[in-house]
Amino acid sequence: AQSVTQPDIHITVSEGASLELRCNYSYGATPYLFWYVQSPGQGLQLLLKYFSGDTLVQGIKGFEAEFKRSQSSFNLRKPSVHWSDAAEYFCAVGEDDYKLSFGAGTTVTVRA
Amino acid sequence: GAVVSQHPSRVICKSGTSVKIECRSLDFQATTMFWYRQFPKQSLMLMATSNEGSKATYEQGVEKDKFLINHASLTLSTLTVTSAHPEDSSFYICSARVWTQETQYFGPGTRLLVL
Repeated sequence: AQSVTQPDIHITVSEGASLELRCNYSYGATPYLFWYVQSPGQGLQLLLKYFSGDTLVQGIKGFEAEFKRSQSSFNLRKPSVHWSDAAEYFCAVGEDDYKLSFGAGTTVTVRA
Repeated sequence: GAVVSQHPSRVICKSGTSVKIECRSLDFQATTMFWYRQFPKQSLMLMATSNEGSKATYEQGVEKDKFLINHASLTLSTLTVTSAHPEDSSFYICSARVWTQETQYFGPGTRLLVL
């Protein structure tokens, strides 16, 4: 069975500083990998996804993620964080039938 | 493009009543829709997968008689919480997928409070 681990429950970062959110997955085959962002009381917005090809994926809002098969990781990064990036971030892995398994999420707080 | 709506956004009901939540894909046809449940400060848990014109497939531990799912058209799926109880209070989120794409597009969610 597939699973997703986000080791960091909460991260606080200063505005303008870089951000990295960790995600590790367990899946037998080549996974579909996603990062979603959820603002308070809102649904999920897709930041980026990886299916195949270039292991460095560019997403919206200046985010990028790198797929590392050897480490079973798909970490999300942003070089310079804005206050509006404060939200909950979820990593997810998809099965062949497109069902998603989500990590527990990482809450990002941005301080001025 | 790829907008998914949910209605209502928030609902409060009395224990024992039934509540219907609608999920619509506004600008695309969704061959598959998914229903998730999210408890406060927790991740999304998949409840069921709904394919247009067929019965929903429920995840282990989800009561299909309690959470009735109907996917009658390519743009609409409904989740009915029957005989709701306070423990059913949660944030319910749907997502929709186009058959040609692997990506799911999520609705804004429906917050259910059962008194």
